[in-house]
Amino acid sequence: ILNVEQSPQSLHVQEGDSTNFTCSFPSSNFYALHWYRWETAKSPEALFVMTLNGDEKKKGRISATLNTKEGYSYLYIKGSQPEDSATYLCALDTGRRALTFGSGTRLQVQP
Amino acid sequence: NAGVTQTPKFQVLKTGQSMTLQCAQDMNHEYMSWYRQDPGMGLRLIHYSVGAGITDQGEVPNGYNVSRSTTEDFPLRLLSAAPSQTSVYFCASSRLSSGGQETQYFGPGTRLLVL
Repeated sequence: ILNVEQSPQSLHVQEGDSTNFTCSFPSSNFYALHWYRWETAKSPEALFVMTLNGDEKKKGRISATLNTKEGYSYLYIKGSQPEDSATYLCALDTGRRALTFGSGTRLQVQP
Repeated sequence: NAGVTQTPKFQVLKTGQSMTLQCAQDMNHEYMSWYRQDPGMGLRLIHYSVGAGITDQGEVPNGYNVSRSTTEDFPLRLLSAAPSQTSVYFCASSRLSSGGQETQYFGPGTRLLVL
């Protein structure tokens, strides 16, 4: 069973703060790294799918970077807003037809 | 497009009962999967399918059966429900590229309570 680890488990920030969290994975098993945003009582929604070492993706105030050689990805949120409050999941695709999810980072942004 | 749909939204079962959770997608995706979500454990893969007639086990398959007779539908069957199967179940689908998956689209979830 692959070990995909996310840190921290939870995070409380003030509105306007910038924040980041980490997804770590075994670098020898890699096809793609997915990031999802999961609001309470809703379904996970895709943010990014990253495949190349050094890849950087951006969607509004959210961006992500990928280092496949050392086995980690960072997700950054610039100027956090209360609507950013959610659990952020990463998932590893090893190309074997199944995604392995981390347990997520739960972000709460205080107004 | 309706995307990924799941029924029912909520179900209460007694121990030993069987039931089928329905999942359908209208995006012509090859890949479909079932996850369960339990507090503190994230999403765990139960079963998945890479096309009609092809299914495989995920991380936690015991107590569940699946079949994929069409591209659109991927039902999950609980053979004899146990309290340990109380969870929220998500179905997801995606296209397959040459080596792996593209973005997964999730259904709204089915909340199951086994008494």
